[in-house]
Amino acid sequence: GENVEQHPSTLSVQEGDSAVIKCTYSDSASNYFPWYKQELGKGPQLIIDIRSNVGEKKDQRIAVTLNKTAKHFSLHITETQPEDSAVYFCAASIGSNYQLIWGAGTKLIIKP
Amino acid sequence: EAGVAQSPRYKIIEKRQSVAFWCNPISGHATLYWYQQILGQGPKLLIQFQNNGVVDDSQLPKDRFSAERLKGVDSTLKIQPAKLEDSAVYLCASSLRGQAYNEQFFGPGTRLTVL
Repeated sequence: GENVEQHPSTLSVQEGDSAVIKCTYSDSASNYFPWYKQELGKGPQLIIDIRSNVGEKKDQRIAVTLNKTAKHFSLHITETQPEDSAVYFCAASIGSNYQLIWGAGTKLIIKP
Repeated sequence: EAGVAQSPRYKIIEKRQSVAFWCNPISGHATLYWYQQILGQGPKLLIQFQNNGVVDDSQLPKDRFSAERLKGVDSTLKIQPAKLEDSAVYLCASSLRGQAYNEQFFGPGTRLTVL
């Protein structure tokens, strides 16, 4: 079946440095790719998304890139801050675009 | 704007017992989702409602799990009887409409421990 692979499972970076999280998807029909951030004890929250007709999207310190040919997309966080520490999930649309399939998550640790 | 409400926040039961979770979505949101999130994994969709009809329940273990959304608003998810492997966080989410590109708003989840 369809799946989304996410790497790394844990990422530790120095405060102020950049962080990159990568995902690959299997369904060539996927055309919507959101990223969610989950803080401890809370539900996931959408931070940025991208559709297949766009190669890159940026929102302040966060950017997402998409390579449809290779079927992978990445989250880039620049100038990391302590509040960026959380678990980040990528997802891809499947099933006539009514469902999302989720990656396993990346725990991002920002070291002071 | 009030967010998605879930209760209880925590529940501990013994295997073979039954349990129910409640969700109140954001007002006006037509689509409601129940996800199971096992520790260290991403959310897994159990069931998706559009108003009070089921859009997808292909991953719902129907021999033990049931869900309903009466009057297209609140929803309950029930497990009967519970197994050890049901220990997880159960997340409820809602969105304005059912297409995947509509932002999903999540509640805080119910952490279930089955002993």
